[in-house]
Amino acid sequence: GESVGLHLPTLSVQEGDNSIINCAYSNSASDYFIWYKQESGKGPQFIIDIRSNMDKRQGQRVTVLLNKTVKHLSLQIAATQPGDSAVYFCAETHSGTYKYIFGTGTRLKVLA
Amino acid sequence: ETGVTQTPRHLVMGMTNKKSLKCEQHLGHNAMYWYKQSAKKPLELMFVYSLEERVENNSVPSRFSPECPNSSHLFLHLHTLQPEDSALYLCASSPAGADTQYFGPGTRLTVL
Repeated sequence: GESVGLHLPTLSVQEGDNSIINCAYSNSASDYFIWYKQESGKGPQFIIDIRSNMDKRQGQRVTVLLNKTVKHLSLQIAATQPGDSAVYFCAETHSGTYKYIFGTGTRLKVLA
Repeated sequence: ETGVTQTPRHLVMGMTNKKSLKCEQHLGHNAMYWYKQSAKKPLELMFVYSLEERVENNSVPSRFSPECPNSSHLFLHLHTLQPEDSALYLCASSPAGADTQYFGPGTRLTVL
């Protein structure tokens, strides 16, 4: 969601476990949501998206859940691997605009 | 590779210099974006072009000047920057508004 955080939250998970990363979005009019992964020294990489007419969408090892009632978005990563270590952040937007609101992000650390 | 390239990848400049950042997208998208990413802050939208027309200008200082000569290329011209302008500058493109954005690798800018 929209926040200006001074501290990047960190989630540490054991390799092979499932990871859940959460995001609270800010605009109730938002109808399109994206999760990005950003590794050190690289640009954000698209992971998965969801539109507001759905509450769940699955990809390869990833699932996005959308709860419009509480304006909450989550990213679930199954069988987390060392290559999943990165900063993950959500983005929200709505039809008719070119503006996207990005979250501050969560750092995922995968422990061997 | 996301289909969005940026050059240079790293740039160090003095406050009196003039330089330009270049972005090129090979995805056939209609919209292109400039973002600023500072440490521990959400992505900040700077400029958006759709079909070579500027559609968003987020109160960015005039020392940043965008140029979009065609739908595949986007430039950010820099002059008399300040040290606080040091950041990662990211270019992105999308097919249209409120659609999936694909990011380039970014230009790491340091202003001395």
